[in-house]
Amino acid sequence: GENVEQHPSTLSVQEGDSAVIKCTYSDSASNYFPWYKQELGKGPQLIIDIRSNVGEKKDQRIAVTLNKTAKHFSLHITETQPEDSAVYFCASWGYQKVTFGTGTKLQVIP
Amino acid sequence: GAGVSQTPSNKVTEKGKYVELRCDPISGHTALYWYRQSLGQGPEFLIYFQGTGAADDSGLPNDRFFAVRPEGSVSTLKIQRTERGDSAVYLCASSLMATDTQYFGPGTRLTVL
Repeated sequence: GENVEQHPSTLSVQEGDSAVIKCTYSDSASNYFPWYKQELGKGPQLIIDIRSNVGEKKDQRIAVTLNKTAKHFSLHITETQPEDSAVYFCASWGYQKVTFGTGTKLQVIP
Repeated sequence: GAGVSQTPSNKVTEKGKYVELRCDPISGHTALYWYRQSLGQGPEFLIYFQGTGAADDSGLPNDRFFAVRPEGSVSTLKIQRTERGDSAVYLCASSLMATDTQYFGPGTRLTVL
């Protein structure tokens, strides 16, 4: 089955700095890669996604890049704010089924 | 509200008991997923419904776990003879179709004593 690795497991940044979270996947047939933000006591919330026919996608302060050859994708958050503090999960979709990474706990220090 | 809802939000039970967890998806969403999330881990796929039928139940850990979606809307996850290792947050998500954007519910925190 699909294996998704996510790094780092924890990340602390100063407010205003950038944060980068990286994921690798194993199934070359995977074609859809969403990123989720999960706050304490809540379900994951989609923040951005990318499909395999695109190399980069940006939405305001958030961007995702995908390298299909290397089978890795990354989340970039610029100008971080305290409200960005949460756990972030990457995910990889194969046929009808998704595999999640183990999560990155991001702390933005005011 | 228009989001995915799950009940109960918390469930405490004793080892060996039977529990049912309910998921109300967003109206019109044909795809429904159940996940299990242990502390410090990402959601783990359990089962996927397309309409009323279970399209993929390969994530169910054993035959104590069962899920239904009889009318293609509300789904119930059923766990028989609960074990302490079943303790986790059970998440439900729905989407218009498979691989469309998934919307997650808040989860049910199950504690087996």
